[in-house]
Amino acid sequence: EAGVTQFPSHSVIEKGQTVTLRCDPISGHDNLYWYRRVMGKEIKFLLHFVKESKQDESGMPNNRFLAERTGGTYSTLKVQPAELEDSGVYFCASSQELGVAETQYFGPGTRLLVL
Amino acid sequence: EDQVTQSPEALRLQEGESSSLNCSYTVSGLRGLFWYRQDPGKGPEFLFTLYSAGEEKEKERLKATLTKKESFLHITAPKPEDSATYLCAVQGFLPGGGNKLTFGTGTQLKVEL
Repeated sequence: EAGVTQFPSHSVIEKGQTVTLRCDPISGHDNLYWYRRVMGKEIKFLLHFVKESKQDESGMPNNRFLAERTGGTYSTLKVQPAELEDSGVYFCASSQELGVAETQYFGPGTRLLVL
Repeated sequence: EDQVTQSPEALRLQEGESSSLNCSYTVSGLRGLFWYRQDPGKGPEFLFTLYSAGEEKEKERLKATLTKKESFLHITAPKPEDSATYLCAVQGFLPGGGNKLTFGTGTQLKVEL
């Protein structure tokens, strides 16, 4: 079974540019999460989709970040315009709801550097 | 707000030298406590879920335990391939549902020959 995949693996952009990150969850997983780790800090939650609906977007830092999950399959996270503090590793995770604390499986991450 | 603190930040062991990693947490009702392993340049890899105080789980040289305030990851007779960053995360009961994980900063383990 294929795991969570993310594209691109690395991205280097200049301040003010736009970047779009993509996540393909494990097939059949309705829950999709975005997390971010900035240098020296812990991994932090950004948002949670259940199928195509946003369940929780309390971790989104500001309105420069836009996440979508059209059709309930893959998801994109767009940063527009990018700022220096957006640099970090963006992880996507997916899970299949089991009624208790479900296991979230993580992708390899996209390393974003804003210059 | 849920909080997770891990210690030590870094740990260097000789091969075969057993030790424990600590994860202290505060959460408004624990749904689950998770341990992940992360290798450089990769995403977190799931190891264990613990649901209630007193629970223990084992996998090869790793054993995770849980109390009402903390969790320990015991590593018995480690090998160099156990070198990685070990992450602890909690999932609490949130108003209106929601399954977000709150992570600690991790313990970076290095096992030397």
